[in-house]
Amino acid sequence: GQQVMQIPQYQHVQEGEDFTTYCNSSTTLSNIQWYKQRPGGHPVFLIQLVKSGEVKKQKRLTFQFGEAKKNSSLHITATQTTDVGTYFCAGTKEGGKLIFGQGTELSVKP
Amino acid sequence: DTAVSQTPKYLVTQMGNDKSIKCEQNLGHDTMYWYKQDSKKFLKIMFSYNNKELIINETVPNRFSPKSPDKAHLNLHINSLELGDSAVYFCASSSLLGYGYTFGSGTRLTVV
Repeated sequence: GQQVMQIPQYQHVQEGEDFTTYCNSSTTLSNIQWYKQRPGGHPVFLIQLVKSGEVKKQKRLTFQFGEAKKNSSLHITATQTTDVGTYFCAGTKEGGKLIFGQGTELSVKP
Repeated sequence: DTAVSQTPKYLVTQMGNDKSIKCEQNLGHDTMYWYKQDSKKFLKIMFSYNNKELIINETVPNRFSPKSPDKAHLNLHINSLELGDSAVYFCASSSLLGYGYTFGSGTRLTVV
């Protein structure tokens, strides 16, 4: 079936360390989106990447979309306790269906 | 000024009951969705409506019936609730199909 794979499932870091989560699809994506869900909260849209090889930055967050539009990554530089939560990638496939990855749960130790 | 609001926030009910969850968005979006998030946090699409028309209907038991009276509202009715229906149900909307979703705060359904 249509799947978007995301790794790792969990990541525990010390505050100040960097963090990266990776997303892979077996088929080409129209776009890739990233969401953050705080504990007990709901997913919040962070960004959307559309072009092959696109790189976007939001303060300490860097988002990349692969050249083949099949993979993506989110990198956080110098994590802070406010970065805690689950980060989801989501890819749009044929028919406009948005398929979510399994999420990476980030915990940050102060 | 909540953009996507769902009610109720919590729902505890017995097996076999019928229940409804309501969703309203004030963003002027044309497309609305229902997602189910299980205990492992996996988000799975259930339904999508565009301007009151059903456009995505995943392999969901027919005990689940969505209804969209207008493009700002998408409700979910569940018949004969089962233990496995326990999850968090999220409503979402977007201006275009598959682009930049705004999620509601979720409804935590517990079937006992």
